[in-house]
Amino acid sequence: DIQMTQSPSILSASIGDAVNITCRASESISSWLAWYQQKPGKAPKLLMYKTSTLENGIPSRFSGGGSGPDFSLTISSLQPDDFATYYCQQYNSFPWTFGQGTRLDFK
Amino acid sequence: QVQLQESGPGLVKPSETLSLTCGVSGGSISSSYWSWIRQPPGKELEWIGNIYYTGSTDYNPSLKSRVTLSIDPSKNQFSLKLTSVTAADTAVYYCASCGSGYTYGRIHFWGQGVLVTVSS
Repeated sequence: DIQMTQSPSILSASIGDAVNITCRASESISSWLAWYQQKPGKAPKLLMYKTSTLENGIPSRFSGGGSGPDFSLTISSLQPDDFATYYCQQYNSFPWTFGQGTRLDFK
Repeated sequence: QVQLQESGPGLVKPSETLSLTCGVSGGSISSSYWSWIRQPPGKELEWIGNIYYTGSTDYNPSLKSRVTLSIDPSKNQFSLKLTSVTAADTAVYYCASCGSGYTYGRIHFWGQGVLVTVSS
């Protein structure tokens, strides 16, 4: 299985900050990487796919990038709604696997 | 927009079979692949498997011996069966749409999730 390792596990930031979350793949996944946002008690929400393609309706302050093995999710200016847990997912090969999550907390 | 709704028992006894169904509305079940994903309390997401309207499936090898996915296009629904459950199978179970063709793999519509607890 391809292991997806996210860093940091917890990130504290303030409104207006720019933040970056990293996801490292244990094997090549080409650009088949997605990012999700999850709030407590809710299903994950797709933010980004194919590394850098923004899902419909997602604000442009979210951006994705990178190439194997390191990928990133950047939020350019944090808004109150952005405090949540973020997961990366590879879909290059089965079994699809997720990172362990990065919790974004209010500083 | 596609909407998904999981249904099934919230409590299953150890060694028994967990059975969940996902109803699809707002779109055709033949338009996408469909996934089951689970999340133990406080833990990360785990992909269980995918099914296409043709019945073609892919499973996570870690669960393959215990999982069966099925689909009923006439009812616009698909189902999960997980046999011989233990406490380790306690989780929120999500059904989801995972695209097709170029977008296959992006999990873009999710059900609200159902907590299934394995306990006697």
